[in-house]
Amino acid sequence: NAGVTQTPKFQVLKTGQSMTLQCAQDMNHEYMSWYRQDPGMGLRLIHYSVGAGITDQGEVPNGYNVSRSTTEDFPLRLLSAAPSQTSVYFCASSYSGDRPNTEAFFGQGTRLTVV
Amino acid sequence: GNSVTQMEGPVTLSEEAFLTINCTYTATGYPSLFWYVQYPGEGLQLLLKATKADDKGSNKGFEATYRKETTSFHLEKGSVQVSDSAVYFCALRPSGGYQKVTFGIGTKLQVIP
Repeated sequence: NAGVTQTPKFQVLKTGQSMTLQCAQDMNHEYMSWYRQDPGMGLRLIHYSVGAGITDQGEVPNGYNVSRSTTEDFPLRLLSAAPSQTSVYFCASSYSGDRPNTEAFFGQGTRLTVV
Repeated sequence: GNSVTQMEGPVTLSEEAFLTINCTYTATGYPSLFWYVQYPGEGLQLLLKATKADDKGSNKGFEATYRKETTSFHLEKGSVQVSDSAVYFCALRPSGGYQKVTFGIGTKLQVIP
């Protein structure tokens, strides 16, 4: 199994540029989420989805958009990149619903720098 | 709301030393508890978990016991190795339908030869 696949692994953007971070999972997980990891801040939830067509905001959603058209894919869009969005981004997936006691699977991360 | 508290570190130990990383939580009901490990340049991966009170999770020589009375899930290892150097995250997932996972801030462990 490939698990959770994130692309790209590294990206440098100029302020104001847009881009999409890709995330795909092959485990048929209902739940997918995006986190950002910053020094001293731990993991902060950006957006999440409990199934195709359903998304919701996490702790730090401003500046990011998501959509979930299929169970497998959950892209994260930066519409107008800002230096404050320099971070490492992780996508995660897990089962939900009547199987609450299962762990999250994480992608390898995308290291984004906005200059 | 739910919360997880752990020391940020860094924790520096000599090889073969005993490791304890404390984790306490706040949540209603009976959440599932997890420890994740993040090696340099990688994503998080599950280290161990416990789903009910008094359960002990174990993996790769690491152990943690779900203590409902003290709302704790401390991570221990009897003899650390250089290869254990990583960041360790404690996390909880509330019971009942789908609930979001809450992570601690992560504790960086450095093991020196």
